Amino acid sequence: EPEVTQTPSHQVTQMGQEVILRCVPISNHLYFYWYRQILGQKVEFLVSFYNNEISEKSEIFDDQFSVERPDGSNFTLKIRSTKLEDSAMYFCASQFGTGPPNSPLHFGNGTRLTVT
Amino acid sequence: SQQGEEDPQALSIQEGENATMNCSYKTSINNLQWYRQNSGRGLVHLILIRSNEREKHSGRLRVTLDTSKKSSSLLITASRAADTASYFCATDEIQGAQKLVFGQGTRLTINP
Repeated sequence: EPEVTQTPSHQVTQMGQEVILRCVPISNHLYFYWYRQILGQKVEFLVSFYNNEISEKSEIFDDQFSVERPDGSNFTLKIRSTKLEDSAMYFCASQFGTGPPNSPLHFGNGTRLTVT
Repeated sequence: SQQGEEDPQALSIQEGENATMNCSYKTSINNLQWYRQNSGRGLVHLILIRSNEREKHSGRLRVTLDTSKKSSSLLITASRAADTASYFCATDEIQGAQKLVFGQGTRLTINP
């Protein structure tokens, strides 16, 4: 079964550094998402992306965050200047369509980002 | 407002027993979904129930939805050790339909 793949599985970075988290969504999917999960907390929506542009973003997704689909296969999340509170598990997800009925999201295994 | 709050937060049962997890939400929804997360892994979609449906089955899973009470339940019958995981409900709001709002999750432990 096709999978969403994320790299790296674990990223350690120093505060203030830029990080890029990478995702390869399922090939025929049209909608792409980033979510994050701070340890022990809820999974939180960051951003959705469709037709090469952001369709919706949360309050968390401030100017330090950006997303890109540079080559039609990869989907990246960039954090320009990381803060300690950015430490979390970041999940990429893709979705075939938004319905109705809405098709489910397919999640990758996540990238654990640790900011020191 | 909090959306998709599950209870209990943790549930521990013996293998073979049934496990029931509940979810409450606050706003109107398009659909409600349940996901499973094994420790350190991604979320796996289990089942989606639309706002005009009341019950749905998939294998050993049974989901109910009561839109008047804004609540849903997930029943896993004849539990197995491999069902040990965290289970999350996620709602798809009528506005912002591409954004899932997840609950805190129920941590289910199946004891052999």
